Amino acid sequence: GQQLNQSPQSMFIQEGEDVSMNCTSSSIFNTWLWYKQDPGEGPVLLIALYKAGELTSNGRLTAQFGITRKDSFLNISASIPSDVGIYFCAGQGGSEKLVFGKGTKLTVNP
Amino acid sequence: NAGVMQNPRHLVRRRGQEARLRCSPMKGHSHVYWYRQLPEEGLKFMVYLQKENIIDESGMPKERFSAEFPKEGPSILRIQQVVRGDSAAYFCASSSLGGMGTEAFFGQGTRLTVV
Repeated sequence: GQQLNQSPQSMFIQEGEDVSMNCTSSSIFNTWLWYKQDPGEGPVLLIALYKAGELTSNGRLTAQFGITRKDSFLNISASIPSDVGIYFCAGQGGSEKLVFGKGTKLTVNP
Repeated sequence: NAGVMQNPRHLVRRRGQEARLRCSPMKGHSHVYWYRQLPEEGLKFMVYLQKENIIDESGMPKERFSAEFPKEGPSILRIQQVVRGDSAAYFCASSSLGGMGTEAFFGQGTRLTVV
């Protein structure tokens, strides 16, 4: 089945630093989504990307849909303590179901 | 405007019992998706339902698991004769439209523990 490789698995950064994480796939996706999950909660949608090459921002977050449709990255600028959590990429291929990466756990030290 | 509501938030069952997980989609949403998440893992698709119909159940085990989304009431994910391996967080998501590129909103999940 389709799989997403998300990296890095975890990151430890200082407040104010920029963060970058990415997802790659061996198969093509038509939609890329980035979610954040806090402990004990469900995933919350951060950014949705619908077109190859698309670059979208949401506040301090920026994400891009790779031109090959097999990858996406998420950048967070000027990190703050509340950015702590697990970030998931998810892809949507030829059906409605989402395929999730294993997540990037972000820790921000004040 | 309430979001996706799941209950219970936590459920403990002994091996061999039945677990029933409920999901009320957002108002106006008629598409429901169930996902399972093991510790330190991403979410894995189980089943996609539209009112009274199962659209895609390719991720749901063939035995012991069933799902429904009746005309009235919440969607139910039912696990019969639970085993320890069923322990996980189960998330429901809903959307107003089906099809690719439709944004789905997730509930807070039900954490099932089988003892």
